Amino acid sequence: ILNVEQSPQSLHVQEGDSTNFTCSFPSSNFYALHWYRWETAKSPEALFVMTLNGDEKKKGRISATLNTKEGYSYLYIKGSQPEDSATYLCAFIASGTYKYIFGTGTRLKVLA
Amino acid sequence: DARVTQTPRHKVTEMGQEVTMRCQPILGHNTVFWYRQTMMQGLELLAYFRNRAPLDDSGMPKDRFSAEMPDATLATLKIQPSEPRDSAVYFCASGTVSGIVHGETQYFGPGTRLLVL
Repeated sequence: ILNVEQSPQSLHVQEGDSTNFTCSFPSSNFYALHWYRWETAKSPEALFVMTLNGDEKKKGRISATLNTKEGYSYLYIKGSQPEDSATYLCAFIASGTYKYIFGTGTRLKVLA
Repeated sequence: DARVTQTPRHKVTEMGQEVTMRCQPILGHNTVFWYRQTMMQGLELLAYFRNRAPLDDSGMPKDRFSAEMPDATLATLKIQPSEPRDSAVYFCASGTVSGIVHGETQYFGPGTRLLVL
């Protein structure tokens, strides 16, 4: 059974703080990993697509790294702002089957 | 600016009725994905198309769900007959494959909120 876990489930940070959270996935059968940002009552927004071990992607104050050998990806937010408050979701795509397995998300609240 | 559109935005129906949800992908995008969001399961991929051909619909209950792309500007997801457990938000997303499949950025529509009584 392929399992994708995200930690922490939720966190509160103060405006200006930097933060990071983790997506853990099976280290075998890796094909790709997607990160999404999902604000309440809105649609998911794709952040990053990561495919190669050692990948580092950056979008503004948000960046992500990928380690396929040990099965994890980190998402970093530098200088958190209230508008960063959202659920951050990762999806592991298995090779061969191309099944999408979603984590349960990390719910971030940035306090002004 | 270009965006994925979905209709209807909300649908309330009775058990046993047919439900059809429509998605208009961003012009020029060649992949279309259907997702379902429920409280219990979170986000699930139901089906996806590439160049209008269904590549995988294994996430979809086959007995009552069907997904089609009659042309490049329209994708449909149909439930017949609908059941209360189908109540969820259904998202459509589109993207352009430029490298590996599933390596594309997906752009999500606003979703169709379905309630089956």
